[in-house]
Amino acid sequence: AQRVTQPEKLLSVFKGAPVELKCNYSYSGSPELFWYVQYSRQRLQLLLRHISRESIKGFTADLNKGETSFHLKKPFAQEEDSAMYYCALSVGDNYGQNFVFGPGTRLSVLP
Amino acid sequence: DGGITQSPKYLFRKEGQNVTLSCEQNLNHDAMYWYRQDPGQGLRLIYYSQIVNDFQKGDIAEGYSVSREKKESFPLTVTSAQKNPTAFYLCATATIPTDTQYFGPGTRLTVL
Repeated sequence: AQRVTQPEKLLSVFKGAPVELKCNYSYSGSPELFWYVQYSRQRLQLLLRHISRESIKGFTADLNKGETSFHLKKPFAQEEDSAMYYCALSVGDNYGQNFVFGPGTRLSVLP
Repeated sequence: DGGITQSPKYLFRKEGQNVTLSCEQNLNHDAMYWYRQDPGQGLRLIYYSQIVNDFQKGDIAEGYSVSREKKESFPLTVTSAQKNPTAFYLCATATIPTDTQYFGPGTRLTVL
């Protein structure tokens, strides 16, 4: 069965320090992975997706099929990065396509 | 994201009552989804729909029902059969083929 895990519920780093939010998945098909972010009092929104291979707000994520991981990284954390981060896997079934979300990691960037 | 509205923002219900949460979109997206968000559990899929008059159960559909009579609307009814309904409910939409989802602001349901 498809599953997404995020081992850290809470991650605290100091401003300017590197940050890595871990995400692992299990899926028998070809994975499409996403990172969503929810800032305080804002809607859940897409941060980045692996097929785009882009960097958003300084964040990058590389899909490692061998390790079934899609960790989110940023070399220098900023206070405005404090938010809830969700890793998500797009899965298809006989009906259509939906998404499986991880439990989320709350990132706190300290001044 | 401004094209997805959920109402009400806060909802209180007595035990044993059914309640309906509204989700409307003007993005012309075919797919719509309902999730439940609980601390430490992330988002769990309740129901989703790819087309009008059709929908599919998600992982935690028991105690919930939906309808999709119009492309723009996907209301969720939380029935009295739902054992633990107090939660934050999120509606989302997506194009087909699906590349990403867009989320509404959410409804917080509290059962008294």
